[in-house]
Amino acid sequence: GIQVEQSPPDLILQEGANSTLRCNFSDSVNNLQWFHQNPWGQLINLFYIPSGTKQNGRLSATTVATERYSLLYISSSQTTDSGVYFCAADNQGGKLIFGQGTELSVKP
Amino acid sequence: DARVTQTPRHKVTEMGQEVTMRCQPILGHNTVFWYRQTMMQGLELLAYFRNRAPLDDSGMPKDRFSAEMPDATLATLKIQPSEPRDSAVYFCASGLPYYEQYFGPGTRLTVT
Repeated sequence: GIQVEQSPPDLILQEGANSTLRCNFSDSVNNLQWFHQNPWGQLINLFYIPSGTKQNGRLSATTVATERYSLLYISSSQTTDSGVYFCAADNQGGKLIFGQGTELSVKP
Repeated sequence: DARVTQTPRHKVTEMGQEVTMRCQPILGHNTVFWYRQTMMQGLELLAYFRNRAPLDDSGMPKDRFSAEMPDATLATLKIQPSEPRDSAVYFCASGLPYYEQYFGPGTRLTVT
């Protein structure tokens, strides 16, 4: 099955800094999502992005399907951005495979 | 504001007891997933259903776990008998094929 790898595993930022999180996947995908797991454990949808670029406020994401990677950009980070960011991909019509996540800590 | 709901949110039980977790998917979603999250294994897919029929339960220990969808508004995950290694957060998610999945708040299970 498809394999999903995320980098870096951990990231510490000062408030206001920008960051880029990367997700590599081993096969073509028909679904790719980014999630944020907040400190209370809730998994929040950020982007559904099997290809192309999307933006939502300070966050944006780009997936280059032909090169099998996706990037999540966080600009002007805030302490509320802290948590774990997961990338998940699917190429079988429903079975999302999750990466191990990037744990982000934003310091005031 | 449509969302996936799960009950209970927390469950503490003794080894050997039966545990039942419930999930109400978002109305109109025909695919329902059960995931388990632990520190060691991360997020693992246990099973999923489409139009109430089980499509894949290969991630689930068959001897003690069972998952069902009695109707389109209810999915259940049962563990019988429970063991300490089952302690984890269990998430339900729902969606449509090739579209976004939405997660419920999870059930935090502790088996002593």
